[in-house]
Amino acid sequence: DVKVTQSSRYLVKRTGEKVFLECVQDMDHENMFWYRQDPGLGLRLIYFSYDVKMKEKGDIPEGYSVSREKKERFSLILESASTNQTSMYLCASSLFTGTDTQYFGPGTRLTVL
Amino acid sequence: RKEVEQDPGPFNVPEGATVAFNCTYSNSASQSFFWYRQDCRKEPKLLMSVYSSGNEDGRFTAQLNRASQYISLLIRDSKLSDSATYLCVVINSGTYKYIFGTGTRLKVLA
Repeated sequence: DVKVTQSSRYLVKRTGEKVFLECVQDMDHENMFWYRQDPGLGLRLIYFSYDVKMKEKGDIPEGYSVSREKKERFSLILESASTNQTSMYLCASSLFTGTDTQYFGPGTRLTVL
Repeated sequence: RKEVEQDPGPFNVPEGATVAFNCTYSNSASQSFFWYRQDCRKEPKLLMSVYSSGNEDGRFTAQLNRASQYISLLIRDSKLSDSATYLCVVINSGTYKYIFGTGTRLKVLA
């Protein structure tokens, strides 16, 4: 079974703090994704990586950056957290691009005060 | 217009009922389609892929209608445990992007 893990289930941070969300997958998948999910808006893609050190912006990259130094690990960084970044953050991975199933981690519910 | 649209529901149905959801997509170049299930406060999980010829997995049947640009999910003999939000996912040809609908909420009532 594919396993995608995220570093925290719940996180509370203050406005202006730098926040790191980590995601690890154990199935040697090429592709990894970060989404945020908000009521009524569904899942929105923040960033995508198709290889180590490679990244592509998704639909809402502003205020976020990512790092992929190892194949199994994809980190999302909020450089200076703001209250409008309060959300559920979901990491996903897939073997191939464009046709393959995505497997999700359990999510991190981030609250920025 | 959203690229992928779903009726948010909720669909409230009694146990044993048959229920169907549709999901419309706007890009005729869409090439891959999936249904995911998401329980409250949990991550989405793949329910089934949707193939051109339609496919069935137990009580679940998925269909694709390319001419009208929609996919459907039919659930027969609904169980209480089927209560969840069902997300449709579309992938457009030549892109990496998985486009998610906002989900249809199903409540199966005893």
